[in-house]
Formats: sequence, C-alpha cells, structure tokens
Amino acid sequence: NAGVMQNPRHLVRRRGQEARLRCSPMKGHSHVYWYRQLPEEGLKFMVYLQKENIIDESGMPKERFSAEFPKEGPSILRIQQVVRGDSAAYFCASSSPFDYSYEQYFGPGTRLTVT
Amino acid sequence: KNEVEQSPQNLTAQEGEFITINCSYSVGISALHWLQQHPGGGIVSLFMLSSGKKKHGRLIATINIQEKHSSLHITASHPRDSAVYICAVFQGAQKLVFGQGTRLTINP
Repeated sequence: NAGVMQNPRHLVRRRGQEARLRCSPMKGHSHVYWYRQLPEEGLKFMVYLQKENIIDESGMPKERFSAEFPKEGPSILRIQQVVRGDSAAYFCASSSPFDYSYEQYFGPGTRLTVT
Repeated sequence: KNEVEQSPQNLTAQEGEFITINCSYSVGISALHWLQQHPGGGIVSLFMLSSGKKKHGRLIATINIQEKHSSLHITASHPRDSAVYICAVFQGAQKLVFGQGTRLTINP
C-alpha cells in the first residue's frame, strides 16, 4: 500500500509564476490536509479537504492560494503569482474516513523555492 | 503564547542516554501526535494517543489529559535518533496545531 505521494519534490519558480503542488492520498483515504513549513519555523495548518469539498480553509492566505480535491485525481495546492515569502516546504497528509482516531499520514513534502 | 509548547527546543546528548521531550498545550484536544522529521525533511508519525501511555521499541509516549501535558521518551538513544521531534494536537474537527519542534542530536 503506497503511502501519501507528493510531486514534485522540489519546485523552483520565479517571482510572479504559478506553482502547482500535487498530493495523492493513501489508498482508501478521502481526507486531505495541507500544511506549510516556512524556513526555521514550525508546521502550520493551511486547509482540510474531502473529495470535492473544502472543509476548513482557515489557514489559507486570503489571496493567491487555492486548493482543490476533485472526485478523480490528486489534490492540488495552487499558488498564483508567487513571491519570495512563499518559499517553504509544503506537506500533505491524508486520513481515512473510517478511522475515528483521525490519524494523519504525511507525504514527503514539496520544497518550493521562489527566485 | 503558542497553543502548543515544547521543551527543550534543542537537546544534545551522548549515545545511550535516556531522552525526554515535553509538550504542553493550552487548548482542549481529542488526541495528540508525536512526529519525527529527519534532516531530509520527511515527516513520520511516531504515536497518536489520547490517554495513558504507548510504547514502540525504544520510544515511549505518555499523556496526561488533566494536566494538558505529554512526554516522549527515548531509551538507549542512538545517533540515528537525531531528528526534530514535533508534538501536534487535534483542535476542532481534524485540524492539527503543531509545537515548534525539538531538535535532538545524539553524539556517538
């Protein structure tokens, strides 16, 4: 059973470009979470999605950031018009709707560098 | 003040020493995660617990819900245990709130 997969693992973008980060949850998991880890800082919650629904986006910056988890395919975190401050590691986690402990399993992360 | 506080922030010890990392939280929670992040950056879940104590190999995690405190212990520490250890609590539906991490270095 493959774990949570994220791609790309490393992404370099110039200021003003768009960044698309992908997350494929573990098989059978329909809940996806995105977290951001800024350099030398702790992890921060961004958004929690279930298939086709955003459940909690209280940690998402109001502008330029969006997330989706379509019925088919991976979850996508999209950052438009990137700025240097967006450089960070972005982690995705997934959980099963049938696991009432809500344990989350983390992907390897995508390291975004904005030049 | 952070909702989840870890201590110490940095810890250096010699191989074989008994290690304790502490986590205190100020919010009501349903469960607590201990996570390990290696220098390569990947995050591994070590434990999830909502009461009592759990043991896995040389790792032991305890939680006291009344005192809002959890500890992670490592017995017979080894250089390969060197990593950042992160405490995270569930707040609300399924949202994790993280401590700032404890950077552990075990010297041979």
